[in-house]
Amino acid sequence: AQTVTQSQPEMSVQEAETVTLSCTYDTSENNYYLFWYKQPPSRQMILVIRQEAYKQQNATENRFSVNFQKAAKSFSLKISDSQLGDTAMYFCAFSHPNAGGTSYGKLTFGQGTILTVHP
Amino acid sequence: DTAVSQTPKYLVTQMGNDKSIKCEQNLGHDTMYWYKQDSKKFLKIMFSYNNKELIINETVPNRFSPKSPDKAHLNLHINSLELGDSAVYFCASSQGRTANNEQFFGPGTRLTVL
Repeated sequence: AQTVTQSQPEMSVQEAETVTLSCTYDTSENNYYLFWYKQPPSRQMILVIRQEAYKQQNATENRFSVNFQKAAKSFSLKISDSQLGDTAMYFCAFSHPNAGGTSYGKLTFGQGTILTVHP
Repeated sequence: DTAVSQTPKYLVTQMGNDKSIKCEQNLGHDTMYWYKQDSKKFLKIMFSYNNKELIINETVPNRFSPKSPDKAHLNLHINSLELGDSAVYFCASSQGRTANNEQFFGPGTRLTVL
């Protein structure tokens, strides 16, 4: 079974600074997908960034980038130029295709990291 | 326009009651999901439907019964509610069921069982 671990229950950062959230996962699959979702106090889950395991290049979305280390099964999220609106709980998630090449879209989530951005 | 909507947003009820949570998506997606977020914020999938067909049924008590009348709706009915059912329930949808498809989440329904 796949597991996703986020070892940092809480993090804080000053506005405009950079912060990195950690995520490790365990799987025997070779092809899979990794995601970071954001859940602000409003409770709405929002996709931040996704990474395909067969792509060596790290995904980037504006101020958000990942450091994907496949051999180490590590998938960290870097937030540059942190903004007050980045305050939220961040979830790392894993999904993999089944043997037929399609998945049922099942997301396995980590425990979450609460990020607070201070002015 | 709300992409994935859930009703109600808050639900407070007594143990033993039966309740339903409704979910609707206007994104034209063909796959919908129910997730449960417990008091420690841990999110876990419960069910998934693709084109009204049940395709994921995690280890969930059979007091929970999803129903999909059409591709745009996935409702969750819970019988004989227990204290441990208190949680936030999220509905989500995606186009297709491949592993890399983005899932769009509803605002969640906070269920409190007294």
